[in-house]
Amino acid sequence: DGGITQSPKYLFRKEGQNVTLSCEQNLNHDAMYWYRQDPGQGLRLIYYSQIVNDFQKGDIAEGYSVSREKKESFPLTVTSAQKNPTAFYLCASSIRETGANVLTFGAGSRLTVL
Amino acid sequence: GQNIDQPTEMTATEGAIVQINCTYQTSGFNGLFWYQQHAGEAPTFLSYNVLDGLEEKGRFSSFLSRSKGYSYLLLKELQMKDSASYLCAHGAGNMLTFGGGTRLMVKP
Repeated sequence: DGGITQSPKYLFRKEGQNVTLSCEQNLNHDAMYWYRQDPGQGLRLIYYSQIVNDFQKGDIAEGYSVSREKKESFPLTVTSAQKNPTAFYLCASSIRETGANVLTFGAGSRLTVL
Repeated sequence: GQNIDQPTEMTATEGAIVQINCTYQTSGFNGLFWYQQHAGEAPTFLSYNVLDGLEEKGRFSSFLSRSKGYSYLLLKELQMKDSASYLCAHGAGNMLTFGGGTRLMVKP
């Protein structure tokens, strides 16, 4: 079955460490996204990519980095520069060509900074 | 700018009908989406409106008024499993902007 796989599901990090969250999709979607969700809040866009080897900053990109070397993969690195990284991180993808983008989400990765 | 507002929490009784409202302001508009998210899980797509009016899909319906920047999600014959957060999002270009979500609690 097609879908999006995020790993790890739970991750603990010490202050000052970089961590990388994995996101893989086999839906043949061109566009991929990373969102952050804090308790009781909506989804905020971190980065998005509409095509391989290209990505754009979202609303809260500071302290994060991404790469898009393959169509299927869009890993997110949470760097030590991110001041408050504890959150639920959601990866999503969509068919690039449609103006109305139904997003398919992964199951999420919950990051906790100790 | 782009703003999108919805109530934080709602409570309803099993078997009843509930309406979750969403208002938005945007400089561009490609459609209004509703997603359902159970606690700790990924959001799943419920409905999409790009033209004014009501879209019905089983127990769920969604309404849009573009001139008023207003949408609602209507849930009929509520079931306990409908307890979840409901996220309103508007599309512009290739992007979606999400509201804060409405946490719906269904009581017996």
